[in-house]
Amino acid sequence: QKEVEQDPGPLSVPEGAIVSLNCTYSNSAFQYFMWYRQYSRKGPELLMYTYSSGNKEDGRFTAQVDKSSKYISLFIRDSQPSDSATYLCAMEYGNKLVFGAGTILRVKS
Amino acid sequence: DGGITQSPKYLFRKEGQNVTLSCEQNLNHDAMYWYRQDPGQGLRLIYYSQIVNDFQKGDIAEGYSVSREKKESFPLTVTSAQKNPTAFYLCASSRGQSNTGELFFGEGSRLTVL
Repeated sequence: QKEVEQDPGPLSVPEGAIVSLNCTYSNSAFQYFMWYRQYSRKGPELLMYTYSSGNKEDGRFTAQVDKSSKYISLFIRDSQPSDSATYLCAMEYGNKLVFGAGTILRVKS
Repeated sequence: DGGITQSPKYLFRKEGQNVTLSCEQNLNHDAMYWYRQDPGQGLRLIYYSQIVNDFQKGDIAEGYSVSREKKESFPLTVTSAQKNPTAFYLCASSRGQSNTGELFFGEGSRLTVL
């Protein structure tokens, strides 16, 4: 079993839709949770960084962490074609950082 | 502009050849990393360095080598001992001397073995 599971998609939505991207994990030691966005043939860029359970909002993006369920989510409101990318979740404890495989998101105009 | 520069973007290699991927950063970061990305898999750590002249193996170091002679530079050599080298290679850096999730990535180098 992988430590971090992420549905690879692709997830295809119409412009303006609310998008929900999710990851589950098995190691309760993870303390820090991140979402990275990766455009095609580019390196990932950090989108959201959270420490505790709960929600964190940044513009159209909301990161949600539920440590009791070992489940994290990224919500994108009013999705735009420019949001089309691969979204990678990542989790860290101590010196260990583990990435999910990434979900491909396609927003159609 | 501060950032990480990887070169070359695309590289083709014949089996049995060693190749070196360049990574340079001007962010004044202490820590640097090399990851490998394959379709359907998360980023996997090859090597990392927290300080000049010191580096540690990551999860998949076999068939790779690195050096860290300068703070700004962390080149990766893919040797002929790497059984499946075709992949997308990403260099990253972080501010601290611990493996933090706040990574800054380069644009990657795609290696294809012919």
